[in-house]
Amino acid sequence: GQQVMQIPQYQHVQEGEDFTTYCNSSTTLSNIQWYKQRPGGHPVFLIQLVKSGEVKKQKRLTFQFGEAKKNSSLHITATQTTDVGTYFCAGPGAGGTSYGKLTFGQGTILTVHP
Amino acid sequence: AAGVIQSPRHLIKEKRETATLKCYPIPRHDTVYWYQQGPGQDPQFLISFYEKMQSDKGSIPDRFSAQQFSDYHSELNMSSLELGDSALYFCASSPTAFNSPLHFGNGTRLTVT
Repeated sequence: GQQVMQIPQYQHVQEGEDFTTYCNSSTTLSNIQWYKQRPGGHPVFLIQLVKSGEVKKQKRLTFQFGEAKKNSSLHITATQTTDVGTYFCAGPGAGGTSYGKLTFGQGTILTVHP
Repeated sequence: AAGVIQSPRHLIKEKRETATLKCYPIPRHDTVYWYQQGPGQDPQFLISFYEKMQSDKGSIPDRFSAQQFSDYHSELNMSSLELGDSALYFCASSPTAFNSPLHFGNGTRLTVT
């Protein structure tokens, strides 16, 4: 079945350093979504990428969707302590009809040391 | 802004007991999803409903059932609970517009002892 792999599993950075997490799918994705989950919280939608090679920015966050639509990345510039959390990528689940049937990557846990 | 409301926030049950989790979606969101998240794991899709009909099914055990009611709220019923059912259960809702993101509730933390 469809697999979404995400690396690294953990990332510890000093405040001000950059951070990148990578997501790879075993199949071509029609779209990819990114969610952030704070410790003890729930997943919060960050962005969706649809087009091949798409790049979107949200302040210090840059999201990319690969040309083959099988990989994606999230890059945070100059991390802040508020960036702490787990970042998940998610793609449409195989065989689903619901848009929200998602297959999540394993997530990257980001810790930021002040 | 209104969010997805889940109840209860915490639930402790013993093995072989039953549990019912409730979810109230954002107004005008007609699609509801249930996800299970084990400790340190990613959310796993269980089941979804659109306009009160089951629309998709994931890795949901036969011991679990769910439905969506006329007011669009949804309930996840879990029977013959096992220790491995201990997890966070999230409900999410979305409007049917294509490519609409999921809005997750705060989750119900189920502990089976």
